Amino acid sequence: QTVVTQEPSFSVSPGGTVTLTCGLNSGSVSTGYYPSWYQQAPGQAPRTLIYNTNTRSSGVPDRFSGSILGNKAALTITGAQADDESDYFCVLYMGSGIWVFGGGTKVTVL
Amino acid sequence: QVQLVESGGGVVQPGGSLRLSCAASGFTFTTYGMYWVRQAPGKGLEWVTFIRYDGRDKYYTDSVKGRLTISRDNSKNMLFLQMDSLRLEDTAVYYCAKDGGTYSIGQWGQGTLVTVSS
Repeated sequence: QTVVTQEPSFSVSPGGTVTLTCGLNSGSVSTGYYPSWYQQAPGQAPRTLIYNTNTRSSGVPDRFSGSILGNKAALTITGAQADDESDYFCVLYMGSGIWVFGGGTKVTVL
Repeated sequence: QVQLVESGGGVVQPGGSLRLSCAASGFTFTTYGMYWVRQAPGKGLEWVTFIRYDGRDKYYTDSVKGRLTISRDNSKNMLFLQMDSLRLEDTAVYYCAKDGGTYSIGQWGQGTLVTVSS
């Protein structure tokens, strides 16, 4: 069974930098999984941040960036702001019309 | 701008049925694939199903195969999710979402809550 792994939580100081990762329980994440990232503020619907590994969705500030780091996909927030406090989810495309979400990372800004 | 408005959620007993709808506007519906993604209370997001722009191909996560059916009416810019043989574990907010390209989700609706309870 495919499991997409994410850190349960992260804390970052205002103005600081944090990198969240998205891995696989078996194998490495590559661009061929077309990783994408979604932000969900408390009580809100998700919002698309990054798709196709590193392409920012329309209107997303450039302090959000996506990449592959080692064997995982990564989302980096540079210059964290208070309203970045949210849950962040990655999703990988496994092929054959199957997508798998990670469990999400809760980011606290304090 | 893109608008996705879900409706049809509610409380249903185990084994019951429900039909969710999603009204799409602000984009050319007939040229985009569409998703349903759900979120159980206090849990993460789960991809449920995807339908191609023309409705010819449909894909499902294993846990809903044979029970949930995605469909679309391109003449009315509507997306549907027929939910049969519902289980307690189907309780969730169901989001309608538009294909963002390159195997990603673009825009999301606000969601509709489905509660399966006896």
